[in-house]
Amino acid sequence: GAVVSQHPSRVICKSGTSVKIECRSLDFQATTMFWYRQFPKQSLMLMATSNEGSKATYEQGVEKDKFLINHASLTLSTLTVTSAHPEDSSFYICSAARGNSPLHFGNGTRLTVT
Amino acid sequence: RKEVEQDPGPFNVPEGATVAFNCTYSNSASQSFFWYRQDCRKEPKLLMSVYSSGNEDGRFTAQLNRASQYISLLIRDSKLSDSATYLCVVNSAGGSSNTGKLIFGQGTTLQVKP
Repeated sequence: GAVVSQHPSRVICKSGTSVKIECRSLDFQATTMFWYRQFPKQSLMLMATSNEGSKATYEQGVEKDKFLINHASLTLSTLTVTSAHPEDSSFYICSAARGNSPLHFGNGTRLTVT
Repeated sequence: RKEVEQDPGPFNVPEGATVAFNCTYSNSASQSFFWYRQDCRKEPKLLMSVYSSGNEDGRFTAQLNRASQYISLLIRDSKLSDSATYLCVVNSAGGSSNTGKLIFGQGTTLQVKP
């Protein structure tokens, strides 16, 4: 069964609003979670590494003030897309590490900004 | 040059065919390699890790050539259900996949026809 849960799976919002996406590790603690973005027919691009109890580490070119990441507990990381614009429409996926096993991915969130 | 490069395809093959995908990576210090499968509009799922000695899982065989910095995936006796995008993934920092960054290739699309 799923080990990483992501919610919502799909969201449509108006330009200028903010959207929060949740990523939960089920039955295990994840000190590190990763947030990716995937545009159509392109590869997954790492946006940021979410660290429990500390600030996220953002990849080059990703605006930290626009994509707010909070990792308040060992089982939950959230990504908030602030003041969303149509160009932010994408597939956002989180992942978490469980021990030494390969990463498990959430089911993804398809964001459409109108 | 992209860190991980794949031929995007699509590869169109008949059922029962054998098909091979290759992937090259630029960071010679990379230590961990994986093949993930991604179905349309879904999250990636781990297909198999790739080891230097090569490894096999049923109809799937993965090989790593460190000298040439390429990874391959061979699928024998293709099934309709194998139709998906296959992502070549490299851990840029080495170690298990829960450390460092996973770098994804663009993916190779496979279409298996009846």
